[in-house]
Amino acid sequence: DIVLTQSPGTLSLSPGARATLSCRASQSVSSSYLAWYQQKPGQAPRLLIYGASSRATGIPDRFSGSGSGTDFSLTISRLEPEDFAVYYCQQYGGSPPFTFGQGTKLEIK
Amino acid sequence: EVQLVESGGGLVQPGGSLRLSCAASGFTFSSYSMNWVRQAPGKGLEWVSSISSSSNYIYYADSVKGRFTISRDNAKNSLFLQMNSLRVEDTAVYYCARGPPNDFWGQGILVTVSS
Repeated sequence: DIVLTQSPGTLSLSPGARATLSCRASQSVSSSYLAWYQQKPGQAPRLLIYGASSRATGIPDRFSGSGSGTDFSLTISRLEPEDFAVYYCQQYGGSPPFTFGQGTKLEIK
Repeated sequence: EVQLVESGGGLVQPGGSLRLSCAASGFTFSSYSMNWVRQAPGKGLEWVSSISSSSNYIYYADSVKGRFTISRDNAKNSLFLQMNSLRVEDTAVYYCARGPPNDFWGQGILVTVSS
């Protein structure tokens, strides 16, 4: 099974700053089937990025995804107050399990 | 508008059973794979099970294999999760989600396993 490791565990930044979140896979993720989700307290996760770099419907262009193989990243170019949340990566290539990373908490500095 | 609404959660004793339902609307349910994802209190997301659009392919996480059964009724636009032999560690909010990638999620339903 593919294990996803996200880093850092917590990222403390100020509004307006640039955020870069990492997701590393224990083996290659087929066809870049890697997604990123945002979750706020008490809410269901929201899909941000799929296919490693495609933005989901309605997602602002300050969110971007990149990477392939085993190394992926999510970048938020200029943080807005509503961006402070927990972010998860998930691989969904090939056969399940469709594992999630353990999450990165983005908090206000 | 796509909507997914879970029901059937609650408090159950260890060893007991529950059946979760997810009512789907706003899209052609029979064309999509569906999933159950859970989140234990204060923890991260855990993929639980997936079922293909016509139920030909069904998968489970090792942690629930042999105890949980996923199914769907395309005529009724509904997804189900039969949970047997429940354990304390199955306590979580359970989400149904379309996909993968999981582009739409329900609001989640709490399952508490406790004596």
